[in-house]
Amino acid sequence: DAMVIQNPRYQVTQFGKPVTLSCSQTLNHNVMYWYQQKSSQAPKLLFHYYDKDFNNEADTPDNFQSRRPNTSFCFLDIRSPGLGDAAMYLCATSPGGTSANTQYFGPGTRLTVL
Amino acid sequence: SQQGEEDPQALSIQEGENATMNCSYKTSINNLQWYRQNSGRGLVHLILIRSNEREKHSGRLRVTLDTSKKSSSLLITASRAADTASYFCATDWGAQKLVFGQGTRLTINP
Repeated sequence: DAMVIQNPRYQVTQFGKPVTLSCSQTLNHNVMYWYQQKSSQAPKLLFHYYDKDFNNEADTPDNFQSRRPNTSFCFLDIRSPGLGDAAMYLCATSPGGTSANTQYFGPGTRLTVL
Repeated sequence: SQQGEEDPQALSIQEGENATMNCSYKTSINNLQWYRQNSGRGLVHLILIRSNEREKHSGRLRVTLDTSKKSSSLLITASRAADTASYFCATDWGAQKLVFGQGTRLTINP
């Protein structure tokens, strides 16, 4: 089945220790998104790639970076995690183009910062 | 902020009853979507209604859209325990991005 996969599902890191979360998709979608979601809140868009074009949200901290080496994979790098970065990180994809922007989400990675 | 608002924030009903959630937004939109999120999981797309549509059905789901009031509602009929989840509306105003509302936490009591 075509899907969006996130690894790992749970990640524990130490304060200030860099961490990388990964996302892969078999949908062959042009657009990939990273969201941060804290408890009982709406998903907050961090950035997205349309093909290789990177689009950063204005309020995304510099501490968050992303890479998309090919169509299938996208990575979220947190350079120096703080306690406030503990959250669920969601990856999503959408077809792009003139299609309606229906997004397909992975199961998420729960990040704990000690 | 362009973020939508959802009402109520939490809803608890008995199994078999209908559940209604409301969403308001601020800008003109191309379409409005509803997503479900089970606890600790990713979001799942439920239904999309375009700006030129007023009502749409999918199984036990009924969505309405009133662009003059910038509001939408999601009705789940004959609720089941498996419907327990958070429900988010999301507005698509172009630029390949969605703006999510704060969500409604729905609990279905057996």
